[in-house]
Amino acid sequence: DAMVIQNPRYQVTQFGKPVTLSCSQTLNHNVMYWYQQKSSQAPKLLFHYYDKDFNNEADTPDNFQSRRPNTSFCFLDIRSPGLGDAAMYLCATSRETPGTSGNNEQFFGPGTRLTVL
Amino acid sequence: DQQVKQNSPSLSVQEGRISILNCDYTNSMFDYFLWYKKYPAEGPTFLISISSIKDKNEDGRFTVFLNKSAKHLSLHIVPSQPGDSAVYFCAASANTGNQFYFGTGTSLTVIP
Repeated sequence: DAMVIQNPRYQVTQFGKPVTLSCSQTLNHNVMYWYQQKSSQAPKLLFHYYDKDFNNEADTPDNFQSRRPNTSFCFLDIRSPGLGDAAMYLCATSRETPGTSGNNEQFFGPGTRLTVL
Repeated sequence: DQQVKQNSPSLSVQEGRISILNCDYTNSMFDYFLWYKKYPAEGPTFLISISSIKDKNEDGRFTVFLNKSAKHLSLHIVPSQPGDSAVYFCAASANTGNQFYFGTGTSLTVIP
């Protein structure tokens, strides 16, 4: 089945220790997104890639970086995790970006729960 | 500032009855709306959408209603089933934008 896969499902890191979360897709979608979701809050978009074009949200901290080496994979790098970065990180894909009629439904992975000690 | 709001964090409904989940938005440029359903330990899955050119879209037991003048949409589930118990997120986008804005979710419990 075509899907969005996130590894690991649970990640524990220490304060200040770099961590990388990964996402892969078999849908061959153009767009890949990273969201941060904290408890009882809405998913918050960090950034997205349209193919190789990177789009950073204005309020995404510099501590968060992303790489998309090919269509299938996208990585979220947190350079120096703080206690406030503990959250669920959701990867999503879509054929086109919102604002394009049709084909812009997002498909989500199961998320990675990040704990910062 | 939260542009999409789901003011009811939780809702309980008896099996077989109607579930009504509500969503309000503030940005008049939003023209496309979606509902996602999320089970524990899974990512959100797309449920149903509606474009601003419509005021109703129906898919089986699920119907979404859009009231543009009130900037309000609702999801109706009839009849509700225990398997519908999940968190439901409302999301919206504008044709000039490149992201969806999500609400905080409503946790629905359908009681057998």
